[in-house]
Amino acid sequence: QVQLVESGGGVVQPGRSLRLSCAASGFTFSKYAMHWVRQAPGKGLEWVTIVSYDGTNKYYADSVKGRFTISRDNSKNTLYLEMYTLTTDDTAVYHCVRDMSGGDGFDIWGQGTMVTVSS
Amino acid sequence: QSALTQPASVSGSPGQSITISCTGTSSDVGGYNSVSWYQHYPGKAPKLMLYDVSKWPSGVSNRFSGSKFGNTASLTISGLQAEDEADYYCCSYAGSSTWVFGGGTKLTV
Repeated sequence: QVQLVESGGGVVQPGRSLRLSCAASGFTFSKYAMHWVRQAPGKGLEWVTIVSYDGTNKYYADSVKGRFTISRDNSKNTLYLEMYTLTTDDTAVYHCVRDMSGGDGFDIWGQGTMVTVSS
Repeated sequence: QSALTQPASVSGSPGQSITISCTGTSSDVGGYNSVSWYQHYPGKAPKLMLYDVSKWPSGVSNRFSGSKFGNTASLTISGLQAEDEADYYCCSYAGSSTWVFGGGTKLTV
């Protein structure tokens, strides 16, 4: 069964850091680019970042550039998102998402992990 | 990276058809045939319904169809069913390996 399971969310103070993880199973993780997409409470979906299948290329939304770092460990089938200098605007559910092969779309989504930035 | 524009809400009766629009710019929707649509039940993982403007992923009903004209893409759902009631989001490739979502549309059946 193809599955993505996020972990690492929680409550963190403004200015602090947090690392999210996403465990992939049921498919060959190393063949797919991966994204993080977030949804703030009561808001829509927002694309955050992408990492290429081999981890060499990374791109970010302007809202997180310079503060967030995406990475992956293909030997562990795991995707990461390191978040620094968090602000209240970063409060959201963070979804780990697979980039589909052979088309432009996000075909597999994790349930998400909630990050709350609050003092 | 401004969000694509979708109507906040649409409604329809069972059996009817509805269309949700998604308006962007020539830098995103109008510049690429890379629009996708997602169905999202609150608290659940979003589901890919269409990709590359009008293509169906495996297992998605052909009651869902997509099109694009200029800077506006559209999702049409025909033969509305109660289970179609959900939030729908469009997404477009925006160049330089970035993507942008629409604000979402709440469909009431």
